[in-house]
Amino acid sequence: GNSVTQMEGPVTLSEEAFLTINCTYTATGYPSLFWYVQYPGEGLQLLLKATKADDKGSNKGFEATYRKETTSFHLEKGSVQVSDSAVYFCALRTAGGTSYGKLTFGQGTILTVHP
Amino acid sequence: ETGVTQSPTHLIKTRGQQVTLRCSSQSGHNTVSWYQQALGQGPQFIFQYYREEENGRGNFPPRFSGLQFPNYSSELNVNALELDDSALYLCASSIRLAGPGWRDTQYFGPGTRLTVL
Repeated sequence: GNSVTQMEGPVTLSEEAFLTINCTYTATGYPSLFWYVQYPGEGLQLLLKATKADDKGSNKGFEATYRKETTSFHLEKGSVQVSDSAVYFCALRTAGGTSYGKLTFGQGTILTVHP
Repeated sequence: ETGVTQSPTHLIKTRGQQVTLRCSSQSGHNTVSWYQQALGQGPQFIFQYYREEENGRGNFPPRFSGLQFPNYSSELNVNALELDDSALYLCASSIRLAGPGWRDTQYFGPGTRLTVL
C-alpha cells in the first residue's frame, strides 16, 4: 500500500537558519505530492504541491522537488522565521482507484524556531 | 468565498455514546473527505463522499458512517464511542471533475476535537 515517511522530529532551529525536512514515499503509479502545515490549534493548510516528476512546488519561501528516482519530496527553506513554527506533514495522493483524492500522510514533523 | 467550516469546535462524550460532527464545504466543492488525527499522528482517511454517496473508505469500522447533502455539506456519525476515538476530526473539501480528471487540492477545515471519557 501507499505510505509516507518523514524525518524524526522535533526540529529546533534559530531564526534565519536553513531548514530541511525529509520525506520519502512508497506508492503505486504516479502520485501527486503535498506538504501541509498545521499551526497550533488549527486544521491543515496546503503549503505546496507537485504533480509529476521533477516538478518543484514553492510557496512562502518553502520549496520541494518531486524526485521519482529517489521517491522523495524534501521540504526546504533558506531562512526560517519564528512564525514558521508549526507541524509539517508530507502527503501523497494516487490517481484513480476506489478512493479518489484520498491523501496518505506522514507522521508529521514538529518545527520550532527560536529568535 | 467561504472556506471549510466545521462544528462543533470541541466535544466531550462518554464511552458508548453516539456523536455527529458537521462540515460545510468550500463554495463550489462537490467532494468531502473525513480524516481522523490522533494526538501526535498524521491524519488517517476515514471516507469520502461524492454526489451524496460514499466513494472510498479507509480502515475504519462500520460504526463510522457519514452523509452528504445536496448542498455538499456533510456529517460524520460515530456510534458506540470508544476511548480510542478521541482525536481531532478533519473535514476536507475538493472538486472532482465529471471525467477522469481530478483537482488535486483538498482544503481542510479547522477540525472538531472529540474527547471520549
